Formats: sequence, structure tokens, C-alpha cells
Amino acid sequence: GAGVSQSPRYKVAKRGQDVALRCDPISGHVSLFWYQQALGQGPEFLTYFQNEAQLDKSGLPSDRFFAERPEGSVSTLKIQRTQQEDSAVYLCASSFDRTRQPQHFGDGTRLSIL
Amino acid sequence: QKEVEQDPGPLSVPEGAIVSLNCTYSNSAFQYFMWYRQYSRKGPELLMYTYSSGNKEDGRFTAQVDKSSKYISLFIRDSQPSDSATYLCAINTGGFKTIFGAGTRLFVKA
Repeated sequence: GAGVSQSPRYKVAKRGQDVALRCDPISGHVSLFWYQQALGQGPEFLTYFQNEAQLDKSGLPSDRFFAERPEGSVSTLKIQRTQQEDSAVYLCASSFDRTRQPQHFGDGTRLSIL
Repeated sequence: QKEVEQDPGPLSVPEGAIVSLNCTYSNSAFQYFMWYRQYSRKGPELLMYTYSSGNKEDGRFTAQVDKSSKYISLFIRDSQPSDSATYLCAINTGGFKTIFGAGTRLFVKA
């Protein structure tokens, strides 16, 4: 496709369940980012991949959060033992090369933890 | 103090007005300056991207960067109801992490 695609668009889970969020970046884009956006706030950086290598995971809130990009294209963000504070929109962005700018965003996955 | 400060608004203007949106930042190492537009339930869409101080114009949009004051602005001329959205400034040092402002909600009234 022409843009960054994320699935599912909406996810509702019970507290304690594990969830997996998928990102399909723009074809050929080297850099991939995950962000968390709380209501009324700007996106906050979670992690960065250059191809399949996770070069920065400093923004992941806890060890319950895990991201992978095994073949350097599709990426998955996994949250284990979800908590209510994990409720947010999770955005994926990709950029063409290692300069990492500019970033092109998907429409996000809206995660609600009950 | 946050690294990037942005007035959340809301900002309400009549159609045709000139809109001025602003952010301040604290880290002089920032090199890349972006403005994104975000409609409700959509992802941020890149509007303007600049590497240096000065002005950059694209249609009705002008981005301005003043590194000496650590101040960036986005001007929208002849504003339209379709410009109603949240505008996010975003700044990067050239590293992996981009810092976003909280966003300013803009309403353009017909």
C-alpha cells in the first residue's frame, strides 16, 4: 500500500490480557518507530528500528512492552499483562532512510483496557 | 520543564484569518523541526519539515525557526474550515528520538 498500515484499528482487552499490535510500514522504508499517544497529548517515543535492528528502546514504559521487526519490514508491538494505564493510541511511523526524517505515520491502534 | 512546550489551545478563528501556532524548546542541540497536522482519529500528517533557521513556505503554510530564541512557528494564511485539526510541533536532534509538543487544537469557523 501507499501508506503505513496498522491493525487492528481498535482493540479492547481485559486487564491482565496480552495484546499484539501490527505495523506495515511503507515498502522499502528503513526506519520504523512506535509511539504512544495519550488523550490530549502529543505522541511519545517508544522504540526505534533500523531494518531488523532495534537501536533504541528507551521509551518503552516497562518490561511488559516488547517490540520486534524480524525481517526488517512488518513490526509487532506486544504488551503483556495489560494495565489500565496502557490505554492509549499506539502509532507507528516509518521513514525512508537512516536520517530518520521525515516520518510518515499510520492511523494508529486505539487500545482500551477494561 | 518539558523539552518542547506548546499551548494546547483551543484556538478559534474565523475563516480567512491568519493563524499563528508556536512552540518553544529548551535543547539547543535540536536540528530538525517539523509541523504535523492531526485530524480526529487519524495519524499525524507531515506539513512542514526544516533543518535550519529561517522561513520555509509551502502554499498557505509558512514555518519559521529561530534557533537563537529556541522558538518555532507555523503560520496558516487564508484559513479554511478544513484546517480545523490539532497541530503538533516536533523536534529532533538528529538522533533516534523525536520530541512532540502536546498539540494545539485549532477551530476555523465558516
